[in-house]
Amino acid sequence: DGGITQSPKYLFRKEGQNVTLSCEQNLNHDAMYWYRQDPGQGLRLIYYSQIVNDFQKGDIAEGYSVSREKKESFPLTVTSAQKNPTAFYLCASSIPRGLFTEAFFGQGTRLTVV
Amino acid sequence: AQKVTQAQTEISVVEKEDVTLDCVYETRDTTYYLFWYKQPPSGELVFLIRRNSFDEQNEISGRYSWNFQKSTSSFNFTITASQVVDSAVYFCALIKAAGNKLTFGGGTRVLVKP
Repeated sequence: DGGITQSPKYLFRKEGQNVTLSCEQNLNHDAMYWYRQDPGQGLRLIYYSQIVNDFQKGDIAEGYSVSREKKESFPLTVTSAQKNPTAFYLCASSIPRGLFTEAFFGQGTRLTVV
Repeated sequence: AQKVTQAQTEISVVEKEDVTLDCVYETRDTTYYLFWYKQPPSGELVFLIRRNSFDEQNEISGRYSWNFQKSTSSFNFTITASQVVDSAVYFCALIKAAGNKLTFGGGTRVLVKP
């Protein structure tokens, strides 16, 4: 079945550590996105990529980094520079601009700083 | 800049009651798309509907209906005869045509009590 797989589902990080969240899709979508969701709030865009080897900052990119070496994969690294990383992270994919119909979402990764 | 406002943070109803979720948006673009997504407790976002700015026809899908009024920049969502399974957070979102970033509202949590 086609879809988006995020792993792990739960992640615990010690302060000062970098962690990487995985996002893989087999929908053959060119565009991929990372969103952050805080309790009781909407989704805020961290980074997005329209094509392999290219990505752009979203609204809250500070303290995060991404790579897009393969079409299927868009990993997100939460660095120690991110002061308040505890949140729910959602990855999404879509066909690119001009053809956008909907974004498909993964099941999310819940990151907790301990 | 685009903005989506969902003024209701939480709505509680008893099963079989109707519930209407409000969504008001701001955009300078003349062509855009509006969406509703459902986020059940499992966390992933489930696509419900997409509406383009030139189509103001209301839509009904089973117990769900949507009222798009361009004159008031609103795209409201009604669940008729609510059921416990409708309990979730619902998000309204906006993207401009040929755009690549969805702008989300803050979400409305719906709690349907048996």
